[in-house]
Amino acid sequence: KNEVEQSPQNLTAQEGEFITINCSYSVGISALHWLQQHPGGGIVSLFMLSSGKKKHGRLIATINIQEKHSSLHITASHPRDSAVYICAVSSPQGGSEKLVFGKGTKLTVNP
Amino acid sequence: DAGITQSPRHKVTETGTPVTLRCHQTENHRYMYWYRQDPGHGLRLIHYSYGVKDTDKGEVSDGYSVSRSKTEDFLLTLESATSSQTSVYFCATSTMSYEQYFGPGTRLTVT
Repeated sequence: KNEVEQSPQNLTAQEGEFITINCSYSVGISALHWLQQHPGGGIVSLFMLSSGKKKHGRLIATINIQEKHSSLHITASHPRDSAVYICAVSSPQGGSEKLVFGKGTKLTVNP
Repeated sequence: DAGITQSPRHKVTETGTPVTLRCHQTENHRYMYWYRQDPGHGLRLIHYSYGVKDTDKGEVSDGYSVSRSKTEDFLLTLESATSSQTSVYFCATSTMSYEQYFGPGTRLTVT
């Protein structure tokens, strides 16, 4: 079983829709990260959070430490939001922090 | 952006040849990482470095070696490339805050 599970694997939405991507993890963590990867592009960090909620523009990330669950929400989705969204957790191992990644959620937003 | 470059960006090589990928950063970040990204697996840690000449293995280190002789450069070497090492390779850096910054990636094809 993967330590980080994302759902759904694929998501198609119409422009303007509210989108939720979920992430569950099974290990103790220092922080949870949401990353964005556009087709053929690099990886950009969207959020790093260890509690509560963070908001940046139309993106909102929440985490529930007790339930070991995080969600990434996109309000008023736009075709430029089409990308793969990756959840990762920072887990202290042997004195250093390493990231463990989910397999990603591919989001397609149609105009 | 943390000023991370990777070279080469694309490489095609033959089975059995040695290959070295370079990651260069201009931010003086202490930690550096090499990941590979494959369909169905997400990102997986190959090796990481927590300082000059201090490196350790990740979860998929077999067939790879690394070196870090100065803060800004982290080299990944495939001593004898195999087709299973065809992948996209990402370098990343981080500070003590653990947020990671990713390079643009190197697409390696082993024929």
